[in-house]
Amino acid sequence: GAVVSQHPSRVICKSGTSVKIECRSLDFQATTMFWYRQFPKQSLMLMATSNEGSKATYEQGVEKDKFLINHASLTLSTLTVTSAHPEDSSFYICSARDPTGRTEAFFGQGTRLTVV
Amino acid sequence: KQEVTQIPAALSVPEGENLVLNCSFTDSAIYNLQWFRQDPGKGLTSLLLIQSSQREQTSGRLNASLDKSSGRSTLYIAASQPGDSATYLCAVNSGTYKYIFGTGTRLKVLA
Repeated sequence: GAVVSQHPSRVICKSGTSVKIECRSLDFQATTMFWYRQFPKQSLMLMATSNEGSKATYEQGVEKDKFLINHASLTLSTLTVTSAHPEDSSFYICSARDPTGRTEAFFGQGTRLTVV
Repeated sequence: KQEVTQIPAALSVPEGENLVLNCSFTDSAIYNLQWFRQDPGKGLTSLLLIQSSQREQTSGRLNASLDKSSGRSTLYIAASQPGDSATYLCAVNSGTYKYIFGTGTRLKVLA
């Protein structure tokens, strides 16, 4: 299967700072990537759809000014959590769609964010 | 709006047992369904992908079935092992590649 790499795998930041998470498709070009969030003991919830060269589409209830998404190239999407607060502590995971015909999305390894 | 539910939420079995995990979804208009494994604090490992036109998929000791009309999928694990202990998630793709995830089944296989 295709490889999606997410970095960092773990990050601890102080309250009020910003943190950037990267999602890369290593062996295919991903015009569309997706960002999910998983709170403890809950399932994954879609946050936003990242489209290369255009603005991201956010799901209802997700603050676009707080979760900045940039998809500047066909292999890289970034999620920046701005002015992080302890309630933003969560597991963030990205997925990417291979537009060449494969019918599933491929997931990164996830990023555990802890805001102290 | 698509909703995905998994039963049971948690399961503890002795090693060697065969077991079935259930996933149900409310909208049968799906593109495909995927089963994942998630170890504590880790990302997702894709186990099986079933297209909407397929009835089942097999990989080793794992077999997944799909009944689109009734909105159900099952994951069958044969001869369970302690290494199978993890959370199992099913996720539905309705064609937009936005996955709707189930609530998960936390499996513990006792040695």
